[in-house]
Amino acid sequence: GDSVTQMEGPVTLSEEAFLTINCTYTATGYPSLFWYVQYPGEGLQLLLKATKADDKGSNKGFEATYRKETTSFHLEKGSVQVSDSAVYFCALKDSGGYQKVTFGTGTKLQVIP
Amino acid sequence: EAEVAQSPRYKITEKSQAVAFWCDPISGHATLYWYRQILGQGPELLVQFQDESVVDDSQLPKDRFSAERLKGVDSTLKIQPAELGDSAMYLCASSFPGQASEQYFGPGTRLTVT
Repeated sequence: GDSVTQMEGPVTLSEEAFLTINCTYTATGYPSLFWYVQYPGEGLQLLLKATKADDKGSNKGFEATYRKETTSFHLEKGSVQVSDSAVYFCALKDSGGYQKVTFGTGTKLQVIP
Repeated sequence: EAEVAQSPRYKITEKSQAVAFWCDPISGHATLYWYRQILGQGPELLVQFQDESVVDDSQLPKDRFSAERLKGVDSTLKIQPAELGDSAMYLCASSFPGQASEQYFGPGTRLTVT
């Protein structure tokens, strides 16, 4: 079945550092890929998405590129802020009829001033 | 801004007891999802509704879990009897039909079974 593998956390960075959170996937067909963010005490929020190979999703300074050849969707940000501290989930949506979403295990990011 | 409502936010129950969670999706969202998120893991889909009909409950432990959405609006997830391993965050999400990529999540119910 479909699966998503994320780098383990926690990731601790200083403010203004460069962020990369690795994500790879296994899926049949042509899935869509997503990053969700979960701030402390809140529900998950969609951060960005890409629906086909070579698409780049971007939002709030975060970017991720759908790489079919390496089955990857790594999350990047050039300069993190303390407010970016959260848990980040990589996910995929299968191309089947029910469009099931499969999540990775999450990567906790802590940004220190 | 419209939000998915869930209650209670926290629930502590003893094993073998019954427990129920409630979710009210965003108005107009015909698709409703229940997820279980064990600490340190990603959300796992338990059941998906389209209006009042279940379209996917393949991961729902049907011997103890049940879910209903009688009028196609709000939904209830029940566990009876609860087991220690059921301790987790239970998340509800909703979306427009065919818009699974645009799911809106509620804040969740954190269940602790003692």
